[in-house]
Amino acid sequence: ETGVTQSPTHLIKTRGQQVTLRCSSQSGHNTVSWYQQALGQGPQFIFQYYREEENGRGNFPPRFSGLQFPNYSSELNVNALELDDSALYLCASSLGGFKDTQYFGPGTRLTVL
Amino acid sequence: GQQVMQIPQYQHVQEGEDFTTYCNSSTTLSNIQWYKQRPGGHPVFLIQLVKSGEVKKQKRLTFQFGEAKKNSSLHITATQTTDVGTYFCAWGASARQLTFGSGTQLTVLP
Repeated sequence: ETGVTQSPTHLIKTRGQQVTLRCSSQSGHNTVSWYQQALGQGPQFIFQYYREEENGRGNFPPRFSGLQFPNYSSELNVNALELDDSALYLCASSLGGFKDTQYFGPGTRLTVL
Repeated sequence: GQQVMQIPQYQHVQEGEDFTTYCNSSTTLSNIQWYKQRPGGHPVFLIQLVKSGEVKKQKRLTFQFGEAKKNSSLHITATQTTDVGTYFCAWGASARQLTFGSGTQLTVLP
């Protein structure tokens, strides 16, 4: 196992609601990246946090936001949920940039009804 | 813009047969990584390739990075049922973004 944990494991929400997903990075890792993986597709990069600052963002609207805390754990917040937000949300921790190995957590399965 | 295709999308093999998946880019890649995702699981890092023409082996897995750094392949020799899963290539689209291919879903028939 990678040592990256995520909570909750599963979540069901209705359209228009807000959700917060949590990730604890592997010990010593100061970088956390979040990905959205729709069924049958590859993970899509949402954003990355490095030392509590957003360090890069993919093609996701502003209703996707995040935080990183001093212990390098992280949150992903999604406002105004849409049906298409139903997906597996993965976080990955690493020592630095994308040339470093990404260690993925088990993911949170979000279903929006 | 940069386009990277991963082929094939699906592959069914008999146990003991070989398997290969390819990632082909329209532009030069700075590096490429390979991940495996078991059904119901999360991506697990396999390898990173950085140098032109690089070849790395992990037991029955052989990874190659093309001379022009536009292609990469993952080859599995004598597949086993434990090799089942989806194999993704991933590359740094920028210094701050890792992009994944669409994946090759491997089924191994006993």
